[in-house]
Amino acid sequence: DQQVKQNSPSLSVQEGRISILNCDYTNSMFDYFLWYKKYPAEGPTFLISISSIKDKNEDGRFTVFLNKSAKHLSLHIVPSQPGDSAVYFCAATDRGSTLGRLYFGRGTQLTVWP
Amino acid sequence: AAGVIQSPRHLIKEKRETATLKCYPIPRHDTVYWYQQGPGQDPQFLISFYEKMQSDKGSIPDRFSAQQFSDYHSELNMSSLELGDSALYFCASSFGTAISEAFFGQGTRLTVV
Repeated sequence: DQQVKQNSPSLSVQEGRISILNCDYTNSMFDYFLWYKKYPAEGPTFLISISSIKDKNEDGRFTVFLNKSAKHLSLHIVPSQPGDSAVYFCAATDRGSTLGRLYFGRGTQLTVWP
Repeated sequence: AAGVIQSPRHLIKEKRETATLKCYPIPRHDTVYWYQQGPGQDPQFLISFYEKMQSDKGSIPDRFSAQQFSDYHSELNMSSLELGDSALYFCASSFGTAISEAFFGQGTRLTVV
């Protein structure tokens, strides 16, 4: 049973425009959400996170929005750059229970073209 | 800066053989997590260790075992390998149980033929 879902396996965006990657979750106990970026032949690297007490967190070109009532979060990248082309994983955890288990979505392949 | 080191990077084994994957965490990190990502699948949590003790267990088959050693490196032992075990195996480490600060290794790609 997948608790974190990324329903779009791929997204193609022109350089300079906004990329919006979506993620849905089912477990209401999740209280911390993370986005990881993965290049081929490399491990996932942490990108940005958000706690459930917030609805927005911004870091440079990256902004994550959290809608708890809809159990939905999104990652906005603006402006998108060709170097952003990678697989983006959404992950969630319940910081109050298990010691650090992350639940991942299947990832969205972002392609930013010039 | 030192990162999480996984070895080997690639491994090819035959069915019913055994495999051992190693993970060397970032220095001073005391927590290690193992994840398995099959083709077209999301990474699945297998097991974690904190201070050399198993702290959490996920969907790890009984054919697999793991441990964390005194130097905090961890090994994932896989026996009676099946074709379905072919996957990318990621290790991550953190200091304490702050999963939000976990860093991933580059992964070991295991192919069972």
